[in-house]
Amino acid sequence: GQNIDQPTEMTATEGAIVQINCTYQTSGFNGLFWYQQHAGEAPTFLSYNVLDGLEEKGRFSSFLSRSKGYSYLLLKELQMKDSASYLCAVGSNYQLIWGAGTKLIIKP
Amino acid sequence: GAVVSQHPSRVICKSGTSVKIECRSLDFQATTMFWYRQFPKQSLMLMATSNEGSKATYEQGVEKDKFLINHASLTLSTLTVTSAHPEDSSFYICSARSNTLAGSTDTQYFGPGTRLTVL
Repeated sequence: GQNIDQPTEMTATEGAIVQINCTYQTSGFNGLFWYQQHAGEAPTFLSYNVLDGLEEKGRFSSFLSRSKGYSYLLLKELQMKDSASYLCAVGSNYQLIWGAGTKLIIKP
Repeated sequence: GAVVSQHPSRVICKSGTSVKIECRSLDFQATTMFWYRQFPKQSLMLMATSNEGSKATYEQGVEKDKFLINHASLTLSTLTVTSAHPEDSSFYICSARSNTLAGSTDTQYFGPGTRLTVL
């Protein structure tokens, strides 16, 4: 079957660092994607990993370990505008299999 | 690049009427378009996948006669909610993927969504 797990909710402090984990078990794998979704809005693409290792993009970094079926999204220097849901998804057969999302709450 | 528009952004209609939602890829040709529905505080739910010029593939439990999808060109897909009822009130979001954009061909780019309220 297809299974993607990520925490339901996390809380962090403005200016701090937070790591959102995602584990997956899917029949196919064509990359691991992270999307950001603010309340009431559509998701926006953040990052994509297909090879093991860390991809850095400004304040956001994403890591992948294919052998462990594991990824994380690292957000540094948190800002209030980072309060959103973060969706982990696995690419397979030209579709994305979605996790339920992690709601990130930033406190001042 | 990779901009997707969706129209209308918000619609309120009476029960029993039909509503058409348009999804356009503005600066690329979309190989595949996807339609999602999202209820408040819930996950994205894929409704159907459509490729230009062919019939849409619906997910289990989605009524194809109620949610009509037309994908007439590489830049336009439409979703028509027929005989809408209050339980169809939701946030409908389209996305598009392309075989010609840089990066992964699985990357989906989302439209801004349409909030449907059926009275």
